[in-house]
Amino acid sequence: GAVVSQHPSRVICKSGTSVKIECRSLDFQATTMFWYRQFPKQSLMLMATSNEGSKATYEQGVEKDKFLINHASLTLSTLTVTSAHPEDSSFYICSARSPTGGSRNTEAFFGQGTRLTVV
Amino acid sequence: GENVEQHPSTLSVQEGDSAVIKCTYSDSASNYFPWYKQELGKRPQLIIDIRSNVGEKKDQRIAVTLNKTAKHFSLHITETQPEDSAVYFCAASGNQGGKLIFGQGTELSVKP
Repeated sequence: GAVVSQHPSRVICKSGTSVKIECRSLDFQATTMFWYRQFPKQSLMLMATSNEGSKATYEQGVEKDKFLINHASLTLSTLTVTSAHPEDSSFYICSARSPTGGSRNTEAFFGQGTRLTVV
Repeated sequence: GENVEQHPSTLSVQEGDSAVIKCTYSDSASNYFPWYKQELGKRPQLIIDIRSNVGEKKDQRIAVTLNKTAKHFSLHITETQPEDSAVYFCAASGNQGGKLIFGQGTELSVKP
C-alpha cells in the first residue's frame, strides 16, 4: 500500500515555543491530507483538512492561528503548533487517502504519529 | 457533519469466543466504512473496510456488515486470540472532501 511518513515521532518542547510536524506521502501525490489529534484513551479527532496550494479547512473549535497548516507541495504537509502549552500535549497523526481510482471511498494511510509533550 | 457512535467502549472475551463491535453513523451520504486496530502509541491499522454498495464482507476471522437503511455497521471477530487485544475504531467517510470521522473506540481484551 501507499506510504505516509511523519516526522518527528516524539518531541518535547518548552511552553511558549512552536513545534513543526511534517507529513510526507512517499510514493504517491496527495492533494489532500488530514491532521488528527488523539488524547490518551480517546479517539482520533479530526483537526483540519490540508489542501495543496490553498488554505486548510479547520474543524469547528480548532484554532487556525494556533495550529498552522501548510501544504506547499503534493507530497508534504506541515502542522505547526504555535505557542505550545501543556494542554497541547497529545498524539498528532496525519493521513492521506489512496489515490487509486480517484474515488473518495478509498483506503486512508496514516503516518506514524508524533507524540508531543509540552513542559 | 458526520457523527459516528461506537459501542461498547470496552469488551472482554475469552479466547476462542466471538467479539462484536457496533457503530452508527448520521450522514446518509457516507459511503465508506473502515475498521482500524490501534496498539498503544502506534498508528491505526486498517483491518477491513466496506463500501456502501456491499452489505457484508469477510476476511478470514474478521467480518463487517453494513445496514444502510438503519445507518449502522458492525465488526465481527470470530475465534478471538490474545493478540487481537487492542483498541478498535470504526470510521465513516462520505462526500466531505474524503475526511474520515472516527467512532469513540472499543478496547478489546481477549483473555487466555
